[in-house]
Amino acid sequence: NAGVTQTPKFQVLKTGQSMTLQCAQDMNHNSMYWYRQDPGMGLRLIYYSASEGTTDKGEVPNGYNVSRLNKREFSLRLESAAPSQTSVYFCASSEVQREYNEQFFGPGTRLTVL
Amino acid sequence: DQQVKQNSPSLSVQEGRISILNCDYTNSMFDYFLWYKKYPAEGPTFLISISSIKDKNEDGRFTVFLNKSAKHLSLHIVPSQPGDSAVYFCAASGNNDMRFGAGTRLTVKP
Repeated sequence: NAGVTQTPKFQVLKTGQSMTLQCAQDMNHNSMYWYRQDPGMGLRLIYYSASEGTTDKGEVPNGYNVSRLNKREFSLRLESAAPSQTSVYFCASSEVQREYNEQFFGPGTRLTVL
Repeated sequence: DQQVKQNSPSLSVQEGRISILNCDYTNSMFDYFLWYKKYPAEGPTFLISISSIKDKNEDGRFTVFLNKSAKHLSLHIVPSQPGDSAVYFCAASGNNDMRFGAGTRLTVKP
């Protein structure tokens, strides 16, 4: 049982390049989330998917797109990376999209945009 | 706007003593609170939670206290162990929203 997996672990991009962060969970969870973590700030929600086939914006969605490919997989795309998107990105999942559910996090992707 | 604040970026305690981590929130719509623990190079893991209908929840060495009137919660770890050294995030949720604090780095010295 791998839980939540993320690829890649590290990535360096130049301004304007695009990339997709991959996330998969094997817990049969319905809801999945993408967060970013910056120094001195808490985890901030970028996008979430309450269930397969739905996606919604979180607190900081600008500059990102997401795809809920199937129940297991939820990807985050940066179309034109900017230095402000340098951050650590965490994917998470939960059984249902209710605030009373604990979320299970992946190990994170450390992204640097030059 | 930071709706959830952890005002102490770091805390250092001696092994065997009590660790107290604090968290304040501003949004009165929050009615469920969680603590997560994070080791370096890993994602956060759930530790303990509390509903707003309670003022205390205990799980082994970990106890969370909630003071709704003060919009304040705290996590007590007794006794503290070196393996507890990590970053602790509090989270507040409610009304289809969840916000995290910036975290407190706890160091437990042997």
